[in-house]
Amino acid sequence: GAVVSQHPSRVICKSGTSVKIECRSLDFQATTMFWYRQFPKQSLMLMATSNEGSKATYEQGVEKDKFLINHASLTLSTLTVTSAHPEDSSFYICSARGTGWSPLHFGNGTRLTVT
Amino acid sequence: AQKVTQAQTEISVVEKEDVTLDCVYETRDTTYYLFWYKQPPSGELVFLIRRNSFDEQNEISGRYSWNFQKSTSSFNFTITASQVVDSAVYFCALTPPGANNLFFGTGTRLTVIP
Repeated sequence: GAVVSQHPSRVICKSGTSVKIECRSLDFQATTMFWYRQFPKQSLMLMATSNEGSKATYEQGVEKDKFLINHASLTLSTLTVTSAHPEDSSFYICSARGTGWSPLHFGNGTRLTVT
Repeated sequence: AQKVTQAQTEISVVEKEDVTLDCVYETRDTTYYLFWYKQPPSGELVFLIRRNSFDEQNEISGRYSWNFQKSTSSFNFTITASQVVDSAVYFCALTPPGANNLFFGTGTRLTVIP
């Protein structure tokens, strides 16, 4: 089955630093990838939709200058949390879809802790 | 507008009991897909099922079964003879036509007590 790899699984960083999270589709081409954020005991909230070769589309309330998304190839999208603050601590999950109405395949998530 | 409601925030059952997780959705679209995902404590999302809005046939997969009723806009999920490994958060989700992302419910945290 389709596999989405997300790295790193956990990261701890100091306030003010930037963190990059990678999302790779391992056995299919993902023209579209999605980035979700999940606060403790809450649902997944879509942050942005990432299309290969074009700018990401951000959901309302998501700061695009803070959460930089790059989708440079059909198998890789990255999310960079810039100048991270403790309130950015969360669980970030990426997902990817191939062609047609295939189900979204999710990465294993990245738990970000900003100290 | 799309909306998925999982009214049960947390459920606890004793091992081997059956448990049903409710999901009610709202959409004006006539065509859509419904999903269930499992999120174990480790955090990843595991795909369980996708159901086309045209297909109201109930489905059974091992101990899992799904009851889709378009008339009541519900897509309930039943686990038979629950096991400790079933402990997780379960999300119901909806994709309308032409959209790529999923609209998630708030999830139901299931705890199976040994």
